[in-house]
Amino acid sequence: EPEVTQTPSHQVTQMGQEVILRCVPISNHLYFYWYRQILGQKVEFLVSFYNNEISEKSEIFDDQFSVERPDGSNFTLKIRSTKLEDSAMYFCASRETGMNYGYTFGSGTRLTVV
Amino acid sequence: LAKTTQPISMDSYEGQEVNITCSHNNIATNDYITWYQQFPSQGPRFIIQGYKTKVTNEVASLFIPADRKSSTLSLPRVSLSDTAVYYCLVVSGGATNKLIFGTGTLLAVQP
Repeated sequence: EPEVTQTPSHQVTQMGQEVILRCVPISNHLYFYWYRQILGQKVEFLVSFYNNEISEKSEIFDDQFSVERPDGSNFTLKIRSTKLEDSAMYFCASRETGMNYGYTFGSGTRLTVV
Repeated sequence: LAKTTQPISMDSYEGQEVNITCSHNNIATNDYITWYQQFPSQGPRFIIQGYKTKVTNEVASLFIPADRKSSTLSLPRVSLSDTAVYYCLVVSGGATNKLIFGTGTLLAVQP
């Protein structure tokens, strides 16, 4: 079964540092997403990406966040200057075109800001 | 997006059928209903989705009445490994189809 791959699985960074979280979506999927889940809380939508541009973003996705699809396979989330409250699990997801398909989520990157 | 309401938790025993009902009174005409499962420290996993009537796949069935204001996820013969959080979501038929997660239902399966 095709998978969404995320790296690293766990990242520890100092407050104020930049981090890049990486994702390889499923190859024939066209829609890409980032979600996050703070420990013990809901899964929250961050951003959706289609046709090489952001199609929607949430209030959480402020100027400190950016996404990029630098080549045909990777999809990255950059946090420019991390804060303690950015500590969370970050999930990448992708899906096919059409209404009949669910999302495939990756196993996540646990980001710890110290 | 329509708000969903589902029980916070449910208990079951191995081998039983589990039905989790979700209400979504304000569902719109072009919305569809989708269910996800999440284990601790893992990403949500798609289970099933539908628009109306009944949908069945290899892991679950989804029952949606004619008014579509509720839906029921049915898990046949659960096992210990089905212990997880189950999310009911209503998804707009728009371009991005973002998922808005609630708190879900924590299903605890006991031996």
